Amino acid sequence: DAGVTQSPTHLIKTRGQQVTLRCSPKSGHDTVSWYQQALGQGPQFIFQYYEEEERQRGNFPDRFSGHQFPNYSSELNVNALLLGDSALYLCASSLGPSLKKTQYFGPGTRLLVL
Amino acid sequence: GDSVTQMEGPVTLSEEAFLTINCTYTATGYPSLFWYVQYPGEGLQLLLKATKADDKGSNKGFEATYRKETTSFHLEKGSVQVSDSAVYFCALSGETSGSRLTFGEGTQLTVNP
Repeated sequence: DAGVTQSPTHLIKTRGQQVTLRCSPKSGHDTVSWYQQALGQGPQFIFQYYEEEERQRGNFPDRFSGHQFPNYSSELNVNALLLGDSALYLCASSLGPSLKKTQYFGPGTRLLVL
Repeated sequence: GDSVTQMEGPVTLSEEAFLTINCTYTATGYPSLFWYVQYPGEGLQLLLKATKADDKGSNKGFEATYRKETTSFHLEKGSVQVSDSAVYFCALSGETSGSRLTFGEGTQLTVNP
C-alpha cells in the first residue's frame, strides 16, 4: 500500500522565483492538505483540497496557491519567493475532509530560498 | 481560535525512564486529538489518536487519554528506548475545522543509553 509521496525531496531557489511542489496521496485517499514547517516549529496549515477545490485556507498570502487533479494528486505553487519561505513543506492525505479523519503525511519537500 | 500548547523542551532521559509530555488545548466543542512523531529528516508519523472524551489512544507502548475536564492529552510511556528519540507533536482537529490540524510547537526527546 503506497503511502503519501512528495517530489522533489529538496529544492534550492532564489528570491523572487516561483516553485511547484507535488504530492500523491495515499492509495484510496481523496483529500490533500499542505503544511509549512519552519525550522524548530510545528507545521502550519496552508490549505486543503477536496473534489478539486480549495476547501479551507490558513493564514497564508495569495502567493501560495494550489491545485488538485482528477486522480487526487496535488500541487503547491509559491510565487515571488521570500527568504522566509524556506521551510519543510508537508503534504497530508485523508479519506474525506471531515472531522475525525486521520491525516497521513508524506516525507516533505525541503525548500531553501537564497 | 483553536490552539495547542506543549511542554517546553528539550527533554533528555535515560533508557527505561518514564516519559510524560504535557499537552493542553483550546477548542470549542469536542475536537479530535492526535500525537505525531517526527524522526530526524523525515515527515510526520501518526503515533496515536483519540476522538472523544475519556478515550485512550495507544501505540508502541505510548498512551494518551483525552481529558475534556482539563483540556489535556498528555503523552506517556513507561520505559523509553534510544529509538524513541524524536520530536513529538500534539495536534487537534476542531469541530468547525474538519480534518485541518492545529499543531503544538513540538517537544524534542533525546534518550541516552
